[in-house]
Amino acid sequence: TAGITQAPTSQILAAGRSMTLRCTQDMRHNAMYWYRQDLGLGLRLIHYSNTAGTTGKGEVPDGYSVSRANTDDFPLTLASAVPSQTSVYFCASSATGGSNQPQHFGDGTRLSIL
Amino acid sequence: GQNIDQPTEMTATEGAIVQINCTYQTSGFNGLFWYQQHAGEAPTFLSYNVLDGLEEKGRFSSFLSRSKGYSYLLLKELQMKDSASYLCAVMDSNYQLIWGAGTKLIIKP
Repeated sequence: TAGITQAPTSQILAAGRSMTLRCTQDMRHNAMYWYRQDLGLGLRLIHYSNTAGTTGKGEVPDGYSVSRANTDDFPLTLASAVPSQTSVYFCASSATGGSNQPQHFGDGTRLSIL
Repeated sequence: GQNIDQPTEMTATEGAIVQINCTYQTSGFNGLFWYQQHAGEAPTFLSYNVLDGLEEKGRFSSFLSRSKGYSYLLLKELQMKDSASYLCAVMDSNYQLIWGAGTKLIIKP
């Protein structure tokens, strides 16, 4: 089973450019999440969606936007990238949102902003 | 503010036992999770505790004391493949996960 697929695996992007990180899950999970992981820090939640058609802001939403048009897809967009957005980005999903269900993670996208 | 503390790095010997501690201060508590993350890979779920006590799952056990804001992950019969980072995360009152920075565990032969 594929689980969660993220694309691209890695990317180098010029500052000021826009970029969409893709995330697709085949587990029919209702809830999806975007995190960033930086050295020495815990995972930080950027945005989340508890069900298709709804989204919410996490701890560090500024500079990022998301959409949830259907259950399977949850893309993350950087409208105008800045160097501080250099990070590893993980997409995750759980069976239900607002619950104690464990989250399952994709393999991550390594993004460098120059 | 919300805070999760765990040691940055630990070293243990193959075949031995290691205990990784996690202390937390969060706004509300809806459970504590442990994840394993090998270098360059995704975190994978290990355990979940919401009630006080010990949960055992094979070579791995996780303990929780809600009154002390404390948990530990116990790894027995260590194997080289257990070399990884171990992430502690607490689900707060809004059902959002607050993550520690992780403990990098180095296993030596």
